[in-house]
Amino acid sequence: AQSVTQLDSQVPVFEEAPVELRCNYSSSVSVYLFWYVQYPNQGLQLLLKYLSGSTLVKGINGFEAEFNKSQTSFHLRKPSVHISDTAEYFCAVNSGGSNYKLTFGKGTLLTVNP
Amino acid sequence: NAGVTQTPKFRVLKTGQSMTLLCAQDMNHEYMYWYRQDPGMGLRLIHYSVGEGTTAKGEVPDGYNVSRLKKQNFLLGLESAAPSQTSVYFCASSRSGSQFFGPGTRLTVL
Repeated sequence: AQSVTQLDSQVPVFEEAPVELRCNYSSSVSVYLFWYVQYPNQGLQLLLKYLSGSTLVKGINGFEAEFNKSQTSFHLRKPSVHISDTAEYFCAVNSGGSNYKLTFGKGTLLTVNP
Repeated sequence: NAGVTQTPKFRVLKTGQSMTLLCAQDMNHEYMYWYRQDPGMGLRLIHYSVGEGTTAKGEVPDGYNVSRLKKQNFLLGLESAAPSQTSVYFCASSRSGSQFFGPGTRLTVL
């Protein structure tokens, strides 16, 4: 079985500061990894994904994530955040099954303060 | 393209009532999913479908039924609503890997 742990439920930061949202996963097989963002009262939007190849993945809105197989982590980073980045962020894993099911973490609420 | 749409956006039910949530996608995706989102719980998979005419149980299927009679539509039914089913329901579709989500349905069961 696969599982996802998002280590911080809330992360407050000031505008223009760097941020890292942490995600660890457990799976006995190769994985596909995703980060989604949810703005208030909206659905989830894909930020970035790791399927294979380079372990550093770049996504939309200046976010990037690094896949670390030895540490089973997929942390999300942004060097300088904006007020508009305030949202909930979800890490998700798929173990490559043919049904493409995702297991989600419980989410990290990023609050960017002026 | 509208992507993934959900109907209705909001609904209030009384305990014991039934209802159906409709999900439609115009991306010709094979796979469709229903999730519920509760505070502090992330998204939990209720049921999913790998193609027209097929359905399968997810992590929290009890109290829900689904049907996929047409490739573009995935229906979620509540036969006898309970207060524990108060939640925000999201539908998603996928061809491979990435899932695309609808805007959600906020359901309150009194």
